[in-house]
Amino acid sequence: AQTVTQSQPEMSVQEAETVTLSCTYDTSENNYYLFWYKQPPSRQMILVIRQEAYKQQNATENRFSVNFQKAAKSFSLKISDSQLGDTAMYFCAFIPPNNDMRFGAGTRLTVKP
Amino acid sequence: GAGVSQSPSNKVTEKGKDVELRCDPISGHTALYWYRQSLGQGLEFLIYFQGNSAPDKSGLPSDRFSAERTGGSVSTLTIQRTQQEDSAVYLCASSLVLFSNEQFFGPGTRLTVL
Repeated sequence: AQTVTQSQPEMSVQEAETVTLSCTYDTSENNYYLFWYKQPPSRQMILVIRQEAYKQQNATENRFSVNFQKAAKSFSLKISDSQLGDTAMYFCAFIPPNNDMRFGAGTRLTVKP
Repeated sequence: GAGVSQSPSNKVTEKGKDVELRCDPISGHTALYWYRQSLGQGLEFLIYFQGNSAPDKSGLPSDRFSAERTGGSVSTLTIQRTQQEDSAVYLCASSLVLFSNEQFFGPGTRLTVL
């Protein structure tokens, strides 16, 4: 089975500090895409960052970066200089080749002032 | 349109009634996906369309669920004889090509079955 596991149902962080959200996945495929999506209370799923499995370099988008460990099948998200607007549900997801996107159960992140 | 749109935004219905949820994908996107998100849960994949075709319906929770897409654009998800366990947010997404590396999501329809 190709699954995604987020082991942290809830997390909190002080504004301006750094937080890391964990994600592991299970697949026998070699090439695939990994994603982190943010879902604020508006329900709109917003793509935060993506990583191609064939790329060794970790993806970075402004304050968001990932630690991709392919052998360990780990894909954590680091948010630096946390802002109040980062408060949301965060979902880790991956797409195996020619297959539908698989999502983790989500981590609810609260940024405290 | 600028993004994926869904209607209605919220739907409250009585148990046993039929409901129809609509998704309008980004113009030119050939692939369209439906997901269900139950309260506090992740997204459960339901069905995808490549053009107007849905080759795999196995993700639909029961035979009360059906979906269609016409003209390679708008899609409707129909739930017949709704049950309380159908209450959830139904999200639609589209992508330029099937299973491409980015799906664009709509705001979802929150369905409440009383």
